[in-house]
Amino acid sequence: DTAVSQTPKYLVTQMGNDKSIKCEQNLGHDTMYWYKQDSKKFLKIMFSYNNKELIINETVPNRFSPKSPDKAHLNLHINSLELGDSAVYFCASSHGPAGSGEYFGPGTRLTVT
Amino acid sequence: SQQGEEDPQALSIQEGENATMNCSYKTSINNLQWYRQNSGRGLVHLILIRSNEREKHSGRLRVTLDTSKKSSSLLITASRAADTASYFCATAIYNQGGKLIFGQGTELSVKP
Repeated sequence: DTAVSQTPKYLVTQMGNDKSIKCEQNLGHDTMYWYKQDSKKFLKIMFSYNNKELIINETVPNRFSPKSPDKAHLNLHINSLELGDSAVYFCASSHGPAGSGEYFGPGTRLTVT
Repeated sequence: SQQGEEDPQALSIQEGENATMNCSYKTSINNLQWYRQNSGRGLVHLILIRSNEREKHSGRLRVTLDTSKKSSSLLITASRAADTASYFCATAIYNQGGKLIFGQGTELSVKP
């Protein structure tokens, strides 16, 4: 059974479009995250949620809006996509606070043309 | 700002050899973790070492932590071709809202 799943796996879209990435975890974890990995493989946290409440917003442009309908889901909506948004986006979850051993999803490769 | 720096950035060895990767960080931490990322895949948690621990083992993995030098190392013994991947260290800092900050990774290539 997949622990942390993301859809879609690949997303190709044009500048200016709005897109969403969905994430679900079936581990019963309280905390979920979105990370961005750039072309140099550098991983940076974007958001973290604990029990549907926003904990960290790491100076991400407000074109990015996370939504957590329940503690098993954390979706990422991106408005007015820009070329620089091209990256791999990873969802993750952990039972405890950040750094307690995160489980990562398979990633969504977003390409903005 | 980036917390961890890893060394070397790339490492190529033969099967059966040991691989050592190093990670340095800048601020006090609660724990340090190592993750593996196979090409095109998500990250897999390998091992967590707390700030009051000096060494930890898991199978063929050995991790050390030196908080006085703000550094950690990951040793993979008797490497296999399947160990080919990128390895990342990540530091957990609880008093910053609970952040996990990643280094830039070491690309390990194990040749059969």
